[in-house]
Parts: sequence; C-alpha cells; structure tokens
Amino acid sequence: KAGVTQTPRYLIKTRGQQVTLSCSPISGHRSVSWYQQTPGQGLQFLFEYFSETQRNKGNFPGRFSGRQFSNSRSEMNVSTLELGDSALYLCASSFGHEIYSPLHFGNGTRLTVT
Amino acid sequence: SQELEQSPQSLIVQEGKNLTINCTSSKTLYGLYWYKQKYGEGLIFLMMLQKGGEEKSHEKITAKLDEKKQQSSLHITASQPSHAGIYLCGAAVLSNAGGTSYGKLTFGQGTILTVHP
Repeated sequence: KAGVTQTPRYLIKTRGQQVTLSCSPISGHRSVSWYQQTPGQGLQFLFEYFSETQRNKGNFPGRFSGRQFSNSRSEMNVSTLELGDSALYLCASSFGHEIYSPLHFGNGTRLTVT
Repeated sequence: SQELEQSPQSLIVQEGKNLTINCTSSKTLYGLYWYKQKYGEGLIFLMMLQKGGEEKSHEKITAKLDEKKQQSSLHITASQPSHAGIYLCGAAVLSNAGGTSYGKLTFGQGTILTVHP
C-alpha cells in the first residue's frame, strides 16, 4: 500500500510569491491534515479536510489556505510568501471518521523563502 | 491550550543500552501518539495509546500511558543505531465543545536520540 505522497520535495521561492503544495493520501483515507514544522516552533497544525470540507483550522493567517478534491487529494497554498514561512510542510492522512485515528505522514515539502 | 513537555531534549547512548523518553501533558491525555522522525523527513507512526495504564510494544520499543500522571513514557530496550532519530509525542486535542478535534494533534518539542555503535 503506497504511503502519503507529497510533491514537490523541495521548493525555493522569493518573498511575495505564492506557492502550492500537493498531498496524495493513503488509499481509502479521507482525512488530510497539514502541519508546519520549524526549529523554533516545532510542529504546528494548519488545517484538516475531510470529504472536501475543512473541519478544523489552526492559528495561521489567511495567507495559508487549502482545499481537498473528491479523490481526497489535497493542496495547500501560501500567498505573499514571507521569510518566516520557510519550513518543512507535512501532510498527514487518516480514515478520519474515528476520533483516535492515527495520522500517517508524508515526507514533507521543504520550502525555502529567500 | 494543551502543552506537551518531552524529556530529555536529547539523549546519547551506547549501542545495547536501554533508555526512556518521557512525555508530560499539562492536561488530561485523550489519545497519545508516538512518532519517530529522521531529520528533514516525515514522521513514522510508532504506536497510539488511549486508555490509562495501557501499554503497547513494537519490536524493542514499549510505550505506556499513565493517565493519572498525565504522562507517557517510551522505552527502548537494547538500543541499536537504527533507533537513532527524533522521537515526538503527540496528543489528541479537545475542541472547545469538549470533543476531540479530528486531525489535530499537539506535539512535544521532540527528543533527539543518538546511538553510538
């Protein structure tokens, strides 16, 4: 069974640009969550989608947005990039209909903003 | 908001030694997850604990949940270089309405484990 796939693995962008990251969940998983990981703040929750609906949102500015498609694949978009957005962005998938459903993570997208 | 404190922050051991990593919560734990991460890569799910007193093992790794102490411990027996990495505990977050928030985990800051051959 294929794991969670994130593309691209690495991205270098300039301040002010926008970026879109992609996540393909494990087959059969309908929930996709996004996290930002930085050395200073650790892992921070961005948002979660289930059946194309955002069910949960973390404390990030509106520049961070996401969506989920009918095949459960998800994209995350960051507009007007800032230097502080440089981070490892991780996506995780789960079945989503159980309260304590383990999250399975992808290898992440390393975003560098210059 | 719930906070998780991991200790120690880093650990260096000789191959073959046993070790323990602790994860303490500021609130009652409802669902505690242990993950391992190689630097710059994704998190690998190790195990999930739900009930107080619960104990699970996977190969040489054992995790326990002490609900009263709001604490979980991860124990590695006879450590090997392959155990090296960053160990993270994550807890299910309760929403304001009292239910858990799907997909949302609060994570500790991680414990960096180095195993010398």
